[in-house]
This record gives sequence, C-alpha cells and structure tokens, in this order.
Amino acid sequence: NAGVTQTPKFRVLKTGQSMTLLCAQDMNHEYMYWYRQDPGMGLRLIHYSVGEGTTAKGEVPDGYNVSRLKKQNFLLGLESAAPSQTSVYFCASRGTSGYRSYEQYFGPGTRLTVT
Amino acid sequence: GQSLEQPSEVTAVEGAIVQINCTYQTSGFYGLSWYQQHDGGAPTFLSYNALDGLEETGRFSSFLSRSDSYGYLLLQELQMKDSASYFCAVRPSSNTGKLIFGQGTTLQVKP
Repeated sequence: NAGVTQTPKFRVLKTGQSMTLLCAQDMNHEYMYWYRQDPGMGLRLIHYSVGEGTTAKGEVPDGYNVSRLKKQNFLLGLESAAPSQTSVYFCASRGTSGYRSYEQYFGPGTRLTVT
Repeated sequence: GQSLEQPSEVTAVEGAIVQINCTYQTSGFYGLSWYQQHDGGAPTFLSYNALDGLEETGRFSSFLSRSDSYGYLLLQELQMKDSASYFCAVRPSSNTGKLIFGQGTTLQVKP
C-alpha cells in the first residue's frame, strides 16, 4: 500500500496563477483533510470531506476550493494564488471503523511558493 | 474560540525522560491526540486519549485530564532519533474527525 500520496511535491507559482494539488489514498478511508503548515506553526485545517461527493470548510478556507469526486482522491485548488498562500500543504485521511480509526494518516506534503 | 498551548522548545539528554504539556480551550472535546513530525516531513500518529488517564505505547505515554483541560506526552529513554516536533491536537467533535493542532514543541535531544 502506498498510503497517502500527494502531487506535486514542489511548485513555484506567480501571483494570480492557479493550480490544483492532488491527494490520493489507497486505504479506502472515508474522511480526507487538507491542512497548511507555515514555518514554526501547527497545522491548520483548510477543507475536509466526510465522504465521496461531500466537502466542508475548515479553519482557513478562504482562497481555496476542493472537490471529492472519487473516494480515493481529494483535490485542493487555488484559483488565484497569493504570496500569503506560500506554505507546506499536507493531506490526510482517516477511516471510520476498526482499530485506531481515530488516527489520521498524512501524505508527504507539497511545498508551494508564490512569488 | 479554540486554542491549544504547548511549550515551543524542550531540550533533554539522551536516556532521560521528558514531558511535553498541552492545555486546551475548545468549544467541543472528544479526544486529544499527539503527532510527531521530523524536519517538516509527514506528521505521524503517536497516541490518542479519549478518557482520563494514562495510555502507554512503548517508550511513549500520554495522559489526559478532561476536568483540567490538560494533557501531556511523556517520552522515556530518550534517543537521538526522538529529536522532532511534537503536536497535540484536539478532536472537537465525533462525527467529522477534525483536529485542531497546537503550534508544536520542538524537542532537541543532546548526547
């Protein structure tokens, strides 16, 4: 099992450009999450999904959109990138039953710089 | 509002015991988790407390007091590889699995 994978690993954007970050998981997890982590900070929840076709806002949703068309994929979009969105983006997934269903599994992150 | 407080840095020597505290104020509480992160890599799960008391997993233990809105992570027999950032995270509700993270504690283990 690959677990949680993220594409791309690194990206540099210019202000105003758009991009989509892809998160994929092969654990058949219902729940998926997008976080951002700024230097010296904890993770802040951007958006999350409790199942295929559903999405909801987290703590810092402004400037981002998400889609969950397939259970295994969760996409994060930036329509018009701003320097304030320079950050490391982590995706995570979680199951709903069984041993340690409270555990979130994280991907390796996408390092995004907006100039 | 929702807030979690944990020390920003802790230093200890190899073989010692260290305790990282976490206090929280959240609108709901379903459990407290701890995650480890090495050098900006993927956070990995360490432990979870839903009820008061101590949970032990090998060299790591985690404690929760719901009445005090307080928990801690205890690391024993410290090894150099334990140098990392440690985050406490509150699960404010049961039906979404969302986590609210603290800002993290950087642990430096010295020889």
